[in-house]
Amino acid sequence: AQTVTQSQPEMSVQEAETVTLSCTYDTSESDYYLFWYKQPPSRQMILVIRQEAYKQQNATENRFSVNFQKAAKSFSLKISDSQLGDAAMYFCAYRSAGAGSYQLTFGKGTKLSVIP
Amino acid sequence: KAGVTQTPRYLIKTRGQQVTLSCSPISGHRSVSWYQQTPGQGLQFLFEYFSETQRNKGNFPGRFSGRQFSNSRSEMNVSTLELGDSALYLCASSLKAAGSTEAFFGQGTRLTVV
Repeated sequence: AQTVTQSQPEMSVQEAETVTLSCTYDTSESDYYLFWYKQPPSRQMILVIRQEAYKQQNATENRFSVNFQKAAKSFSLKISDSQLGDAAMYFCAYRSAGAGSYQLTFGKGTKLSVIP
Repeated sequence: KAGVTQTPRYLIKTRGQQVTLSCSPISGHRSVSWYQQTPGQGLQFLFEYFSETQRNKGNFPGRFSGRQFSNSRSEMNVSTLELGDSALYLCASSLKAAGSTEAFFGQGTRLTVV
């Protein structure tokens, strides 16, 4: 079974600064997907960024980028130019690429606070 | 394009009762998954449906069940409610097609068991 670990229960960042959220995972599979989801107080889970394991290039979406280290099974999220609206719970998630399943395995989450 | 719709948004039930939650996926999406979110256990996978068939089931007791209809709408049912079933229940839909990788979530149903 796959596991996802987020070792930082809470983090804070000054507005306009950069912050990195950590995520490690354990799997014996070679093909999979990794995601970062954001859950604001409204509770809606919003996809921030995704990474296909077969791609060596790190994914980037505007101010959000990842550092994907497949051998180390590490998948960190970097948020640049932090904004007040970035304050939320962030969840790292894993999905196997095989068997046609969309089942996600989540980490426990990191609560990000943005200080004005 | 409408997102994933979950009803009701809030629910209060008494221990021992049963409850049914509903999820309408994004139009065209045929895969629906359910998750339970609690402060202690985090997000845990309940089950996944595709084409009215359960494809995957998480490690939950038989009191938790679900189904999917021909229009892809899904319901989950919890019988004989326990206090520990209090949680946010999230539904996610997926396109289930080549090149499609992500799941889209609804806003959840907050269930409180008293």
